[in-house]
Formats: sequence, structure tokens, C-alpha cells
Amino acid sequence: KAGVTQTPRYLIKTRGQQVTLSCSPISGHRSVSWYQQTPGQGLQFLFEYFSETQRNKGNFPGRFSGRQFSNSRSEMNVSTLELGDSALYLCASSSGDHIAKNIQYFGAGTRLSVL
Amino acid sequence: SQQGEEDPQALSIQEGENATMNCSYKTSINNLQWYRQNSGRGLVHLILIRSNEREKHSGRLRVTLDTSKKSSSLLITASRAADTASYFCATESGGSNYKLTFGKGTLLTVNP
Repeated sequence: KAGVTQTPRYLIKTRGQQVTLSCSPISGHRSVSWYQQTPGQGLQFLFEYFSETQRNKGNFPGRFSGRQFSNSRSEMNVSTLELGDSALYLCASSSGDHIAKNIQYFGAGTRLSVL
Repeated sequence: SQQGEEDPQALSIQEGENATMNCSYKTSINNLQWYRQNSGRGLVHLILIRSNEREKHSGRLRVTLDTSKKSSSLLITASRAADTASYFCATESGGSNYKLTFGKGTLLTVNP
């Protein structure tokens, strides 16, 4: 089975721009979660989608949004970029069926630099 | 907010030695998981231990869970240079909550 694929791997943007990141989950996985990782804050949960519905949301401003398509692929969008948005953005997929078996499979991440 | 807090923040050992990392959390959990991350890449799942389990083994890994103390430990035996990575604990709690909350991790360096 192919793993979780994130595109692009690297991205450089300037303040005020917007960006869209893409994630293709493992085949058959219906849950996709997004995380932001920075040296200062560590891994922080952004949101989780299951069958095209946002099921959970972290404590991020409305500039961060996401969606999931019928094939389970997911995108996240960040509008009006700020310098502090520079981070590694990780996507993870899981079957999402059972709480006690919610093992997450991570992609390699998208490294976003905001200048 | 961080649910799990790993201790120590950094650990440096020699190949062949054992490495122990600890994780403490604040609220009751459904399960606790350990992940490894190599140098800014994606995380890899290592082991999951459920709240009604006390110990679990997988190869050279041994995880314990003490729900009364809200803590877990990850032991890597006979460490290798390839074990050099950051290790994170992640907790899942709540009824229909599929969110994992990660700690800030322990950076393990295994010197050849």
C-alpha cells in the first residue's frame, strides 16, 4: 500500500499570501488529520476530517481551514499568511473506525516558510 | 495545549545501552501511543497501549502505563545509532474524540 503523500514538500511564501497544502491518505483510510509542528509549540492539532466532515478542530484562528473530498484526499488552506505560520505541516491518516485503534500514519510533511 | 509531557527533553547514550523516556499526562485517556520522528520528517507509530493495559512489548521496545500516576515510559533496549530520533507520546481521550494530543518529545541521540 502506498503511504500518506503530501504535496508540495517545500513551499516559500510571503506575508499576506495564501497557501493550499494537499494530502492523499492511505487507500481505505477515511480519517485525515492535520498538525502544525514548530520548535516552540511542538506538534499542535489543527483539525480532523472523516468522510468529508470536520469531526474535530484545534485552537487555531479561522485563517486555517481544510476540507476533505469524496476520495478522502484532503487539503488545508492558510489565508493571510503570517511569519509565525512558518512550520512543518503534517498530515496523518487513519481508519478512524475505532477509538482504541486510532493509529495515525503520517506523511513526510510540507515545510512552509513565510518571508 | 500539551497533554503529554516527555522527560527528559534530550538524552544522549552509547550504542548498546538502554534508553528510557517518560511521559506524563493530565486527563484520563483511552489509550496512549508512542511515535518516532527522524529529523523533521513524518512521525512513525511505534506502539499503542490501552488504558486497561499495564505493559506492552514490541521487539526492543517496552512500554508501561500507570494510569494512577498518569504516566508512561518507553524503554528501548540495546540501542543502535539508527534509533537516533525524537520520540513523542500521544494521548487520545474522550468519547468520540479522535484527536491525538502530542507531547513536545524527547530527542534521543545514540552515539556509535
